[in-house]
Amino acid sequence: DAGITQSPRHKVTETGTPVTLRCHQTENHRYMYWYRQDPGHGLRLIHYSYGVKDTDKGEVSDGYSVSRSKTEDFLLTLESATSSQTSVYFCAISESRGQNSGNTIYFGEGSWLTVV
Amino acid sequence: GENVEQHPSTLSVQEGDSAVIKCTYSDSASNYFPWYKQELGKRPQLIIDIRSNVGEKKDQRIAVTLNKTAKHFSLHITETQPEDSAVYFCAAPFYKDNDMRFGAGTRLTVKP
Repeated sequence: DAGITQSPRHKVTETGTPVTLRCHQTENHRYMYWYRQDPGHGLRLIHYSYGVKDTDKGEVSDGYSVSRSKTEDFLLTLESATSSQTSVYFCAISESRGQNSGNTIYFGEGSWLTVV
Repeated sequence: GENVEQHPSTLSVQEGDSAVIKCTYSDSASNYFPWYKQELGKRPQLIIDIRSNVGEKKDQRIAVTLNKTAKHFSLHITETQPEDSAVYFCAAPFYKDNDMRFGAGTRLTVKP
């Protein structure tokens, strides 16, 4: 398994509160991603990073922000959590991206977030 | 739109039978097609992938075929076993934004 750890693994929070999920990798991969997984939607990209302090939006970025201050850490923040953000969040990493060789995506174990 | 369509959404087979899951994509420039297996409560894990310079790739009981003209690729599992029961996802990259887009998933149940 790829060296990816997520924390917390499970969290219940109230609507309107801020939440931060952390992803830590030991593979020194350049690219890091946050996906959410919902029934019927598969895995959808929220944000990704292509280097320290370099991030970009994905398919479903509204309501989320990210930061990457070190190669190994990628944080996902919900500034004011809503019930629609109840989901399973997966961090992922890859050496390269898109059509390039080495673009295999490896996933972390997931973080189950419930917003009540 | 730019997405990956995956069928069927659920598939039930008897142990020992074969299972086939198909995905279609829209970006003709896509050249890398991975398949992931996700067991209940676990992370998606890569089980096989194929690049566009080949039409088929096999790894023991699983194989992937690619038809670039028709823009579809399929996962084939032969001699299915109960431990093959899981959700399977296909994916394809899109040239415009380099984003890896995932299918909605197929829940495979292998009945003993």
